Amino acid sequence: VQLVESGGGLVQPGKSLKLSCSASGFTFSSYGMHWIRQAPGKGLDWVAYISSSSGTVYADAVKGRFTISRDNAKNTLYLQLNSLKSEDTAIYYCAGDYFDYWGQGVMVTVSS
Amino acid sequence: DVVLTQTPPTLSATIGQSVSISCRSSQSLLDSDGDTYLNWLLQRPGQSPQLLIYSVSNLESGVPNRFSGSGSETDFTLKISGVEAEDLGVYYCMQATHAPYTFGAGTKLELK
Repeated sequence: VQLVESGGGLVQPGKSLKLSCSASGFTFSSYGMHWIRQAPGKGLDWVAYISSSSGTVYADAVKGRFTISRDNAKNTLYLQLNSLKSEDTAIYYCAGDYFDYWGQGVMVTVSS
Repeated sequence: DVVLTQTPPTLSATIGQSVSISCRSSQSLLDSDGDTYLNWLLQRPGQSPQLLIYSVSNLESGVPNRFSGSGSETDFTLKISGVEAEDLGVYYCMQATHAPYTFGAGTKLELK
């Protein structure tokens, strides 16, 4: 099993960014997936979940601004980040349904 | 939201010492399906988190059996029976019973 995140970078407040998580080594379409983030020097913060049938759940802090989605044909999970704030600065990890597999993380920095 | 309180925040141990970490939940983590979705993860310095224990007491594949988990409803414990150097890092409990899913603040295990 391998999960590889991409799409991070430096972005100004109020702007948007789209993260990707490429999955391999398992039947991606059969499993739910999570996004979790970690601000610099801080603990883990659950962000969003998408089920195998594309039902979604969000943390209150990102509801209405972030959108989780998936493309089973491409074995890829996405996180669209809109209206970014400085407090969204973090490493973003994708993880498997049971938190048993994690990617290496991708850094998102929101700063002017 | 469910609040998970981990104690102690920092733990100093010698190699071979047995240690325990407590995780207390603000509400019962017993799900309506009869399972209790309380997990323990370890984040080594510079690495992604790794699942150690799932559903209170089930050892994840490949995790050494010096790790064990116990507890029920709102009180949970992770025990390491004989700390080894590779066990150093930050331990997190997390719950996946009630959305939004939440993490404890972490317990940093250091060498004495």
